[in-house]
Amino acid sequence: AQSVTQLDSQVPVFEEAPVELRCNYSSSVSVYLFWYVQYPNQGLQLLLKYLSGSTLVESINGFEAEFNKSQTSFHLRKPSVHISDTAEYFCAVSDPMNRDDKIIFGKGTRLHILP
Amino acid sequence: ETGVTQTPRHLVMGMTNKKSLKCEQHLGHNAMYWYKQSAKKPLELMFVYSLEERVENNSVPSRFSPECPNSSHLFLHLHTLQPEDSALYLCASSQDSRGPGELFFGEGSRLTVL
Repeated sequence: AQSVTQLDSQVPVFEEAPVELRCNYSSSVSVYLFWYVQYPNQGLQLLLKYLSGSTLVESINGFEAEFNKSQTSFHLRKPSVHISDTAEYFCAVSDPMNRDDKIIFGKGTRLHILP
Repeated sequence: ETGVTQTPRHLVMGMTNKKSLKCEQHLGHNAMYWYKQSAKKPLELMFVYSLEERVENNSVPSRFSPECPNSSHLFLHLHTLQPEDSALYLCASSQDSRGPGELFFGEGSRLTVL
């Protein structure tokens, strides 16, 4: 079964500074990868996803993530964060070879934006 | 209304109480889910329903009882809960229970068991 590791439980970063949130998944022949974001007092919402094709995927609010098969990683990056990016970010994975496979979530990384 | 709506947003109950959480989706999706979110733990999938039929039950204690009367509504009936059951319970829906479909989450019901 797939598993997801988010090593950082919290990441503090100054406003307008770059940020990287790390995500590693257990090795598999193929994977679907997701980043979900949970703003305070809200449910999770999809930020971006990798299913196939280009290994670099982008969100509408400036985040991007790169699928790196050799390192089994899907790190999330943003070149300049804003106070509104304060949230918890969840990496998730599923197995496209097993259509009964459900999405597995990491423990989440809380992003703190410092003024 | 649009999206996934959960009620109540907050619930406090004693260990002998019986209560229910409600979820409603207005997206025309065929699959609905209950997740448990506890601090410092990954999201735990509890139940999956596809077209009102339960397709997965991840070894959840019987004190949690789901009900899916139609594809738009999902309930989680609670009885004789334990303090460790205190958590945020998230409902989600997707177009299909299979494949890489996006999950759409409600805002959650924050449960405190005294």
